[in-house]
Amino acid sequence: EAGVVQSPRYKIIEKKQPVAFWCNPISGHNTLYWYLQNLGQGPELLIRYENEEAVDDSQLPKDRFSAERLKGVDSTLKIQPAELGDSAVYLCASSFSKASGQFFGPGTRLTVT
Amino acid sequence: RKEVEQDPGPFNVPEGATVAFNCTYSNSASQSFFWYRQDCRKEPKLLMSVYSSGNEDGRFTAQLNRASQYISLLIRDSKLSDSATYLCVVSLGGYNKLIFGAGTRLAVHP
Repeated sequence: EAGVVQSPRYKIIEKKQPVAFWCNPISGHNTLYWYLQNLGQGPELLIRYENEEAVDDSQLPKDRFSAERLKGVDSTLKIQPAELGDSAVYLCASSFSKASGQFFGPGTRLTVT
Repeated sequence: RKEVEQDPGPFNVPEGATVAFNCTYSNSASQSFFWYRQDCRKEPKLLMSVYSSGNEDGRFTAQLNRASQYISLLIRDSKLSDSATYLCVVSLGGYNKLIFGAGTRLAVHP
């Protein structure tokens, strides 16, 4: 069974530029999560989707971050404009339901210069 | 105060040693508890859930003390392949909203 797929794996951009990350969850998984992980820290939830609905986006900095999951399958997370402090690993995870285990993708490592 | 606190380590132990990690959580309403493992530059992976009565999976034993709000993970007979960061995770219910600790790094040497 294919796992959670994320792209790109690495991204280097200059500050103030836009950037987008893509995630394809495990087939059949209705719940999708985006996390941010800083060096030496655990992942922190940014947003959770149940199908195409964002049911928890309380931790998403909405002034510069946006996300979508239009057809309830793959999802895109965008930052515009990026700041130096956004340098981190962005992890996508999926689960069959909110009551089942989360499986993480390999992450996108973002460096903002 | 962080919601989930862990000793960052690193714990440097020889092969075959027994090592224990502790973790404390601040929200007494937390219902579900887990240990995740994260290898360097890899994604976190579920190691085991933690049940009130304590549970064991091979060389790994997890314990929960709700009164003191702490969770432990014991690894017996450490292997080189156990070297990783171990993340303590709590949730208010099920797997829905996971709160991760910063992790404890383990290095097992020959």
